Amino acid sequence: AQTVTQSQPEMSVQEAETVTLSCTYDTSESNYYLFWYKQPPSRQMILVIRQEAYKQQNATENRFSVNFQKAAKSFSLKISDSQLGDTAMYFCAFIFSTDKLIFGTGTRLQVFP
Amino acid sequence: GAVVSQHPSRVICKSGTSVKIECRSLDFQATTMFWYRQFPKQSLMLMATSNEGSKATYEQGVEKDKFLINHASLTLSTLTVTSAHPEDSSFYICSATGQGGRNEQFFGPGTRLTVL
Repeated sequence: AQTVTQSQPEMSVQEAETVTLSCTYDTSESNYYLFWYKQPPSRQMILVIRQEAYKQQNATENRFSVNFQKAAKSFSLKISDSQLGDTAMYFCAFIFSTDKLIFGTGTRLQVFP
Repeated sequence: GAVVSQHPSRVICKSGTSVKIECRSLDFQATTMFWYRQFPKQSLMLMATSNEGSKATYEQGVEKDKFLINHASLTLSTLTVTSAHPEDSSFYICSATGQGGRNEQFFGPGTRLTVL
């Protein structure tokens, strides 16, 4: 079975600081896609960043970057220079061979001024 | 590009009535659409997957007769909650993938259903 675990239900960070959200998963497949989604209070799901499992280079999108450790089955999200607008629920998610998105339980991030 | 809309954004209905939620891909053809349910402070739970012109595939534990899904065109899927009861109250989200397939799902803004 494929599982996704986010062990940090809540995190907080001060504005302009850096925060890392953790995600681990379990699968026997070798090719899959990994995502971090943000869900702000509006509840609109927003794609933050994506990574292909076959790519060794970690994906980066402006202030957001991932640390993908395939052997360790770890996929963490680093947010640099945190902004108030980063306050949201963050879900890591995966697409395996079934083409279905499997979501983690989420981490609620609060950015304080 | 890749915009998905949902209508209505909020709906309140009486117990025993049926409610239809529409999901539209506005600027691309959606080969596959997905319906999720999200309870407060929880993650998204996949309810069903639908492909245009074929029957939806429901996840284990989801009642097919309760949650009717129709994917009649490449830009529209509908979810009908039949004989709604208060326990069906939830936030329903649809997503769609285009011909690029498994790389990304584009999400609608969600529909909040309240059954009195």
